[in-house]
Amino acid sequence: DQQVKQNSPSLSVQEGRISILNCDYTNSMFDYFLWYKKYPAEGPTFLISISSIKDKNEDGRFTVFLNKSAKHLSLHIVPSQPGDSAVYFCAASANTDKLIFGTGTRLQVFP
Amino acid sequence: EADIYQTPRYLVIGTGKKITLECSQTMGHDKMYWYQQDPGMELHLIHYSYGVNSTEKGDLSSESTVSRIRTEHFPLTLESARPSHTSQYLCASSWLLNEQFFGPGTRLTVL
Repeated sequence: DQQVKQNSPSLSVQEGRISILNCDYTNSMFDYFLWYKKYPAEGPTFLISISSIKDKNEDGRFTVFLNKSAKHLSLHIVPSQPGDSAVYFCAASANTDKLIFGTGTRLQVFP
Repeated sequence: EADIYQTPRYLVIGTGKKITLECSQTMGHDKMYWYQQDPGMELHLIHYSYGVNSTEKGDLSSESTVSRIRTEHFPLTLESARPSHTSQYLCASSWLLNEQFFGPGTRLTVL
């Protein structure tokens, strides 16, 4: 039973436009959420995170929104750049250091 | 930039061989983790350690074993490799509760 779900395996966006990556979770005990970015043949790199006490966190072009009632979070990238093309993983934890990962969404940003 | 290293990056080996995947970090992190990831799937935690001489099994059952004799070193061993062990193995470390830094991974193929 997957506790963190990324239902879109892929997303294609034009350069300069907004990319929106979605993540749903089932465990109401999750209190911290993270987004990681992964290039082929490399390990995931931390991108941005959000605590359950907030509903938005922004870092440059990246913003994460959390809707606790819907158990949904999203990552917005604006403007999208070709270098953003990668696989994006959503992860969550419940008052612990152990992370539960989604299956990832492959983002492709084309010129 | 995170300083966590994994060797080898790629390994192709025959069934029945013993292998050790190396992971080292120079950040002085107490917590270290091993994940297994198959293409298009989520990362699964297979082992973790909270410090020297501390090792625990993760959520995904694995036939591998780990050791933590030094803070900076967290090797993973398979006594007898099988084709079902073919996967990508990712090592991570952390200082804070949630943010984990990942190594580049080892892609293992067992023939």
